[in-house]
Amino acid sequence: SQTIHQWPATLVQPVGSPLSLECTVEGTSNPNLYWYRQAAGRGLQLLFYSVGIGQISSEVPQNLSASRPQDRQFILSSKKLLLSDSGFYLCAWRMVDTEAFFGQGTRLTVV
Amino acid sequence: KQEVTQIPAALSVPEGENLVLNCSFTDSAIYNLQWFRQDPGKGLTSLLLIQSSQREQTSGRLNASLDKSSGRSTLYIAASQPGDSATYLCAAMDSSYKLIFGSGTRLLVRP
Repeated sequence: SQTIHQWPATLVQPVGSPLSLECTVEGTSNPNLYWYRQAAGRGLQLLFYSVGIGQISSEVPQNLSASRPQDRQFILSSKKLLLSDSGFYLCAWRMVDTEAFFGQGTRLTVV
Repeated sequence: KQEVTQIPAALSVPEGENLVLNCSFTDSAIYNLQWFRQDPGKGLTSLLLIQSSQREQTSGRLNASLDKSSGRSTLYIAASQPGDSATYLCAAMDSSYKLIFGSGTRLLVRP
């Protein structure tokens, strides 16, 4: 069966520090991968999505970037965090005709 | 650009009541539509997926319908229970594989 792993679960980082959040999927090949951010009490904002290795589409211009170095690995990064980067970050995967499945999320607090 | 809207933003009902959650989307050229449940501080759990060629899907007390021509989907919950209390989110996937979310409906089922 397929599983998705996202870590860490919580993270407190100072302003200006770098960020790296990792998401991996097991049990499937060539999934579509997604990064979302959810502000408190709000919906999910699509940040990046990828339909294959090295193929990244960015939805929101900001100081975040994403990479897909392997088929089932999706990484969200920042060189210098801002206070406004605080939020709940969620990774998801799906095949074209199937449901999307989400990781448990990373709660990032930038202080 | 696809926009997804959910009404109402919040709903409080007594236990046992049947209820309907609404989701509308601006671009009818969707690939599929998915309903999720989110408990506080948690990731998303998939409830139902409706392909663009389908009119409805059922799972237990849940029934989701899709009307592409009018840009609407509804989630019907029968005989609501306190354990149904959560935020319910709908998401539309377009032909470029972007998954766009509504802002959700916060449901409280009172014992």
